[in-house]
Amino acid sequence: EPEVTQTPSHQVTQMGQEVILRCVPISNHLYFYWYRQILGQKVEFLVSFYNNEISEKSEIFDDQFSVERPDGSNFTLKIRSTKLEDSAMYFCASSVRQFGLREQYFGPGTRLTVT
Amino acid sequence: ELKVEQNPLFLSMQEGKNYTIYCNYSTTSDRLYWYRQDPGKSLESLFVLLSNGAVKQEGRLMASLDTKARLSTLHITAAVHDLSATYFCAVDLRGDKIIFGKGTRLHILP
Repeated sequence: EPEVTQTPSHQVTQMGQEVILRCVPISNHLYFYWYRQILGQKVEFLVSFYNNEISEKSEIFDDQFSVERPDGSNFTLKIRSTKLEDSAMYFCASSVRQFGLREQYFGPGTRLTVT
Repeated sequence: ELKVEQNPLFLSMQEGKNYTIYCNYSTTSDRLYWYRQDPGKSLESLFVLLSNGAVKQEGRLMASLDTKARLSTLHITAAVHDLSATYFCAVDLRGDKIIFGKGTRLHILP
C-alpha cells in the first residue's frame, strides 16, 4: 500500500542552523501539507501546497519557514534559523483532493531537536 | 476561527469498562476524523465521518457524528489494555487543512 515517507526520522541541530525536512508524498497525490506537534501537545497545521504554490498557511508559518517541491517526488520544509521552540515532531501529509476524496495521509514524522 | 475541543483530556479506566470521548467543534464542517497516536509515533486514521448521523464501528471503538450539534463521540466498549493511546479528533476545513483537538490520553489499567 502506498505511503508517505519522511527523512530523517530524527534530526538534531543547533540553534540558528538551517534544517531541511524531506517528505515523499504518495505518488498520485496533488496536495501536500506540513503539520507539527510539540511534545505532548496537539497537532498544528503549518502549510498546504498545491500546484507549486502555498495555498494556505498558519500564523506559525512565518518567514523562517519555506516549502518547496524541488522535483516530481520530494516535498521539503526548510527552517532557516532554528529556535529552541522549533523542537517538535513534524508530519508531512498528502491527499488526492479529487472525486470527493479529501483524506490526508500522514507520514511517520521527523523529530526535530534544537539544542 | 475553528476551535475543536475534546474532553476529557486524560482518562484512566479499568479494562472491561465502557467510556465515551467527546469532541465539539465551533463551525460547520462536513468531515470529521478520529486518529490514534501511540507515544512517539505517527497518526493512525481510525474513522472518517462524512455526514450527519454517521456511525462507524471497528472492533471495540465506535464513532458517531452529529453535525447539527457539532459533536462527535468516540465510544470504547469493554476496554482492553491495547487501546491505551492518545486519541485525536480533527475537523476538515474543505480539505485545505485539518484542525485537531488537544487529544485524549487514554490509559487502560489491567
